[in-house]
This record gives sequence, structure tokens and C-alpha cells, in this order.
Amino acid sequence: ETGVTQTPRHLVMGMTNKKSLKCEQHLGHNAMYWYKQSAKKPLELMFVYNFKEQTENNSVPSRFSPECPNSSHLFLHLHTLQPEDSALYLCASSQDRRAEDNSPLHFGNGTRLTVT
Amino acid sequence: SQQGEEDPQALSIQEGENATMNCSYKTSINNLQWYRQNSGRGLVHLILIRSNEREKHSGRLRVTLDTSKKSSSLLITASRAADTASYFCATDLKRGKLIFGQGTELSVKP
Repeated sequence: ETGVTQTPRHLVMGMTNKKSLKCEQHLGHNAMYWYKQSAKKPLELMFVYNFKEQTENNSVPSRFSPECPNSSHLFLHLHTLQPEDSALYLCASSQDRRAEDNSPLHFGNGTRLTVT
Repeated sequence: SQQGEEDPQALSIQEGENATMNCSYKTSINNLQWYRQNSGRGLVHLILIRSNEREKHSGRLRVTLDTSKKSSSLLITASRAADTASYFCATDLKRGKLIFGQGTELSVKP
């Protein structure tokens, strides 16, 4: 058990569907992240939230829409995705990102997304 | 090009041998972190080394950092089959972003 729970573990969706990925952390952290992991590519940072405020949007297409209602929950809303968006989407949390000495990330096990 | 790059991309060794993985980066960092990922799972943090540290140990793990060469190495001693995984370095840029490399796939054969 990692302390960061992601649901669903697997998701298959068509290009016209709308779906959401959910992440919940039980570690008392204040920062949450979405990363995309594609085969043969480094992890790509997508979004960062610190104390529920979005502090980083790494030029992510608008078909990905994050939501952070509180410090424990993070969502990634998906709509009109493309097949190249198929990947493992990882959620992570950490202590306050505003501290200069950034603390380690705690990851969930990811959602394996397939866009058909 | 990316901030962190691991070398080699894949490494296969026998149980009991040592495994060394290297990471190079391009810009100044606050700290450098190493993570492990088992197939189909999330990443797990292994060790963090700050920019003013040169070496750090944790169990069978030894990490070195050479800021003059902008490189780090992860040494796993007396490897076990259970160490089979992908290993990633991540650099903590001064503006607060954690950037991951492509990883080294380690296979430890029993």
C-alpha cells in the first residue's frame, strides 16, 4: 500500500468519451502531481497543485483538465482524447513544494489508459 | 534534450553481483533523487542526495553526486532477483520542478 490510491487501474475509452481519473492520498501532503509515462519516454510532468492551487501546467493540451478540490484529492478529467494519449498516468504527492529543499514524491500505481 | 539521462538503458547481471547505474544532467540542481519502478506499478523513492553532499548510503544502496561533472551514480551491492526493476534519477531544479530521466532497466538473474 503506497498511501496514494489511483482509480481506475485500467481504462479503455473512445476518442469521443469523457472520463475522469481519480487520485487520493492519505499522507497529509500538501502538493499533488499528475505525470504521464509513455513507453520509451521519460516521465512527463503534467500538472502540479500546491495547497489546492495549480502551480504548474506543463503545456498540457486542454483535453486534459485537472481538478484539485482539496489537498487529499486530485482528478484528471479527460475528453476527446487521441490514441497517442494512451499511457500510464501517475499521480504523486509530496510535502509543500514551496520549500526550497523539495521532498520526495510518493506515487500511486497509476491508471493504464488506452484510447481507441 | 532532457535534464536527466541514465546510462546504461538496460543492465543484466547475476544475483550477487553489483549493479551500477549512472545519471547525467545539464543544469544546476537542489537535489537529485533516485526512484525504482516495478513493472506495472508506481515509482518508489529510494534515496535523495543534496547538492552539497557527495555520497550517501541506504542499506545496499550507495549514491554519489559529482556536481562539477553534473553526474550521479547508484550502486546496488550484492544484488538480488527482487532488485529487478527500472531505476530513475530525478533532478530537482531550482525552480521547484522534479524532472525524471528515461531510466535504466535492471534485470537480476537468479
